[in-house]
Amino acid sequence: GQQVMQIPQYQHVQEGEDFTTYCNSSTTLSNIQWYKQRPGGHPVFLIQLVKSGEVKKQKRLTFQFGEAKKNSSLHITATQTTDVGTYFCAGQRIGTYKYIFGTGTRLKVLA
Amino acid sequence: EAGVAQSPRYKIIEKRQSVAFWCNPISGHATLYWYQQILGQGPKLLIQFQNNGVVDDSQLPKDRFSAERLKGVDSTLKIQPAKLEDSAVYLCASSLDRPDTYGYTFGSGTRLTVV
Repeated sequence: GQQVMQIPQYQHVQEGEDFTTYCNSSTTLSNIQWYKQRPGGHPVFLIQLVKSGEVKKQKRLTFQFGEAKKNSSLHITATQTTDVGTYFCAGQRIGTYKYIFGTGTRLKVLA
Repeated sequence: EAGVAQSPRYKIIEKRQSVAFWCNPISGHATLYWYQQILGQGPKLLIQFQNNGVVDDSQLPKDRFSAERLKGVDSTLKIQPAKLEDSAVYLCASSLDRPDTYGYTFGSGTRLTVV
């Protein structure tokens, strides 16, 4: 079945450093979404990417969808302690409304 | 607008007991989902409702899990009997007809511990 993997599984950074998480699907996706889950919280929708090669920015966050629509990345510039949490991608299977969540990347920011 | 409401927030039961979770989605959201999130993993879809009909329950362990959505609004998820491996956070989410514009809106979840 379709799998969505994320790397790294964990990342510790010093406050002010950059952070990137990568999302890879075993199959081509219709679109991809990104969610943030704070410790003890629930996933919160961040953004959706639809087009091949699409890049979107939200303040210090940059999201990219690969040309083949099988991978995506989330880059955070100059991390802050408020960025702490687990970041999940969720890929939509072609021909369905079903999203498969990735394995997540847990980010810790050291002040 | 009010978010997705779930209860209880926490539940501890012994294995082989039964448990039920309740979810009230955002008003007007036709689609409701139950996800299971095991510690350290991403959410896994258990069942999806469109109004009060089941759209996808392919990953629901039907020998022990059941779910219903009465009148296309509230939903309950039941586990009977529970196993140790059912320990997880059960997240309810809702979306407008399709989640591919604004994503899912998740509730705070019910953390289930089976001992």
